[in-house]
Amino acid sequence: NAGVMQNPRHLVRRRGQEARLRCSPMKGHSHVYWYRQLPEEGLKFMVYLQKENIIDESGMPKERFSAEFPKEGPSILRIQQVVRGDSAAYFCASSVSAGGLETQYFGPGTRLLVL
Amino acid sequence: AQTVTQSQPEMSVQEAETVTLSCTYDTSESDYYLFWYKQPPSRQMILVIRQEAYKQQNATENRFSVNFQKAAKSFSLKISDSQLGDAAMYFCAYRSSPGGSNYKLTFGKGTLLTVNP
Repeated sequence: NAGVMQNPRHLVRRRGQEARLRCSPMKGHSHVYWYRQLPEEGLKFMVYLQKENIIDESGMPKERFSAEFPKEGPSILRIQQVVRGDSAAYFCASSVSAGGLETQYFGPGTRLLVL
Repeated sequence: AQTVTQSQPEMSVQEAETVTLSCTYDTSESDYYLFWYKQPPSRQMILVIRQEAYKQQNATENRFSVNFQKAAKSFSLKISDSQLGDAAMYFCAYRSSPGGSNYKLTFGKGTLLTVNP
């Protein structure tokens, strides 16, 4: 059973460009979470999605950031007009269900560098 | 809002010895879940151990065990017989009880563990 897959692993963008980060959850998992890890910090929750639904985006900046989890295909975290402060590691996690002791399995992360 | 504090930015241990990583948290909830994740140099996040707050018995996974002190809001991780492969950043994380935003993990800033041969 393949784990959570994220691509690309590394992404370099210039200020003002768009960044698209992809996450394929583990097989059988319909719950996806995105977290951001700034340098020297722990992971911070951004958004929680189920298939075709955004459940909670309270941790996501109101502007330039969006996320989706379509019926078919991977979950996408999209950052428009990137700025240097967006440089971070972005982790995706998935689970069979939400809450309780249910384990969130993490992908390897995408490291975004904005020049 | 819940907060998680890891007061030790760095720790080191000799191979085969025991080390304890500290974690405290702040919450007004009575039921919740606590986790330790490991992030090796590959940066992959790996679940090490987890604890349900309503269980008094401390969780154990092979060489890893926790000391859960609910009244003190403390959740320390003990690694016995440390191995070189244990070298990593360790994150303590909190998740609320069922209901509400109980899917969010709140992480501490991490403790970097070095294992000396």
